[in-house]
Order: sequence, then C-alpha cells, then structure tokens
Amino acid sequence: AQRVTQPEKLLSVFKGAPVELKCNYSYSGSPELFWYVQYSRQRLQLLLRHISRESIKGFTADLNKGETSFHLKKPFAQEEDSAMYYCALSGGGGSNYKLTFGKGTLLTVNP
Amino acid sequence: KAGVTQTPRYLIKTRGQQVTLSCSPISGHRSVSWYQQTPGQGLQFLFEYFSETQRNKGNFPGRFSGRQFSNSRSEMNVSTLELGDSALYLCASSRRGGPVQPQHFGDGTRLSIL
Repeated sequence: AQRVTQPEKLLSVFKGAPVELKCNYSYSGSPELFWYVQYSRQRLQLLLRHISRESIKGFTADLNKGETSFHLKKPFAQEEDSAMYYCALSGGGGSNYKLTFGKGTLLTVNP
Repeated sequence: KAGVTQTPRYLIKTRGQQVTLSCSPISGHRSVSWYQQTPGQGLQFLFEYFSETQRNKGNFPGRFSGRQFSNSRSEMNVSTLELGDSALYLCASSRRGGPVQPQHFGDGTRLSIL
C-alpha cells in the first residue's frame, strides 16, 4: 500500500522567512514523488517532481529514502506563495497509473 | 492549448439518482484519471483510462464507473447516489500516464447530494 502524510494542515510564516512543508511517505518500492500546488481560484497544478531535480519558483525538494521524506523548502517565502500544497506519490508495478495524495498543507505567507 | 475541460461545473442530485460527469483532456493526451476530493478524505484516486482501457482502479464501490472514448474524452458515472458522494470530482490528463507523467487537472465538477 502507498501512503502520503503531510503532518501540518496549516503553516503560517512571514514574508522573507524560510519555509518547509513536510511530506512523509510509505511505499515498499521505488516511488516517484511530486508536489502539486493550488493557488486561490486556480486549478491544481504540478509544482515540481523529484525526478527532475529542478527548482521551481525558488522551491526545492529532496527525496530522502532513508527517512522516507520529500520535504518542500524555500529559503525566502513570498506572499504569492500562499496556497494549498499537496505532496503526491506514484508507485511502481500495478500502481503505476495513480497518484496518492497527502491531505495538503495550507501555507499562508504574511506581509 | 486548451486545458482539461470538465462539465458540468456544478450538479445537484438527490439520493438514489445517478449522475454522469464528463472530461475532455488536453489535445494529444491519452491518459485520463479521476479523483474525488472531500474535506475529510482529501484527494482520492478513482480510476485511470488509457486508450479506452481502464488500467487502474481505486478503492471505491462498484457504483462508481467510467469509460473513455476513442477521442480520449472520458465520462464517469455514479449510480444510486448517497449523501457521502457529495464531493468535488477532478479529472486529470497526461500524455501517456505512468509514474513520472505530470497530471494536468481540470476545474472539477462539484456534486451535491440532497
């Protein structure tokens, strides 16, 4: 079974402060991990995926297989980062074609 | 390029009725996935279709079904509606599906059961 846990439902930081959104997963094989974001009144959209090792809008995420984590980080938060963030996992084998989402973390960046 | 289009945007039904939701993927995308989003359970995978074949199914009762047409458009059907089926139903498309394919989501259909 695959499971994604985002321990914080709400996270509030001030502009310019570092931000870390936590994501832990449970999966027996080699997972593919993603962060999706939903800004106010917009569609759910892909932010980044671990396989690409990219930085999008200043966000990075490192897959730590030992700790089964995929935390999302940004050194200096901006007000426009306020959104709902979802961590998601796609597994191998028969689960290749589905995403398992965490329940999301609502990030608020205060001015 | 047009995004994923879901119709209708809102639906109100009563218990026991059935409903059909529609999803048109991005042009060229052949994989369509459906998700149910509720405040309590979050986003839960329903099923995924590729080239008119269901490749994977989530843990939902048989009342939830779907299909995909040759033009990649997909429909999902829920029969014998229950109050707990009230949710936002999201459709997502990708070129081929698979573990590394990014999903492109629609705006969803909000279904309310009275």
